[in-house]
Amino acid sequence: QITLKESGPTLLKPTQTLTLTCTFSGFSLSRSGVGVGWIRQPPGKALEWLALVYWDDDKAYSPSLKSRLTITKDTSKNQVVLTMTNMDPVDTGTYYCAHRRWGSPDWFDPWGQGTLVTVSS
Amino acid sequence: QSVLTQPPSVSGAPGQRVTISCTGSSSSIGGGYDVHWYKQVPGLAPKLLIYANSNRPSGVPDRISGSKSGTSASLAITGLQAEDEAEYYCQSYDNILRAWVFGGGTKLTVL
Repeated sequence: QITLKESGPTLLKPTQTLTLTCTFSGFSLSRSGVGVGWIRQPPGKALEWLALVYWDDDKAYSPSLKSRLTITKDTSKNQVVLTMTNMDPVDTGTYYCAHRRWGSPDWFDPWGQGTLVTVSS
Repeated sequence: QSVLTQPPSVSGAPGQRVTISCTGSSSSIGGGYDVHWYKQVPGLAPKLLIYANSNRPSGVPDRISGSKSGTSASLAITGLQAEDEAEYYCQSYDNILRAWVFGGGTKLTVL
């Protein structure tokens, strides 16, 4: 059974850096074809894909946020870390990590429970 | 504004059939990319409902189906039940943006 869980700060001030950790079980990021993605959702709004990391350390980022995002993996700890710099109140929302399923395009299943991040001065 | 366009809301009475559309472009759905669908109950994480246009994961009832044609895709739910009330999102890829993209979401209300 695959499970994922996000952890990190719940409150940040503008300009601070967000660091979120996704801890997963039931699969290995060292296995060919495996990937983990991050998706966020502002309150009452739609889902937005942020980043994806693959077993071979290939990475993909949302073009609109690429300059602010970094995704890394720690295979030994079964963790994926997402950092987002220069946080702003518009970045407030629930951040999800999800297991990537191979497809054209890839899809996400299952998802973690999400973690709410609030950016406020 | 989302790359994939969905109606903001749809509704239907118990037992009825509803459809939710997802319209893209030649750089997304029309470019040959599959469409996936997720169901999100308020306060919970999205859950995969349909993958690769029309495939149901284990546990999803066969009264839920998906299709794709041209630059659009559709999700159909027949025999509407109270438990179907949720937000539904489509997802695909855009090769101009080079990004995985979601629709704006559709709120399904069971009357």
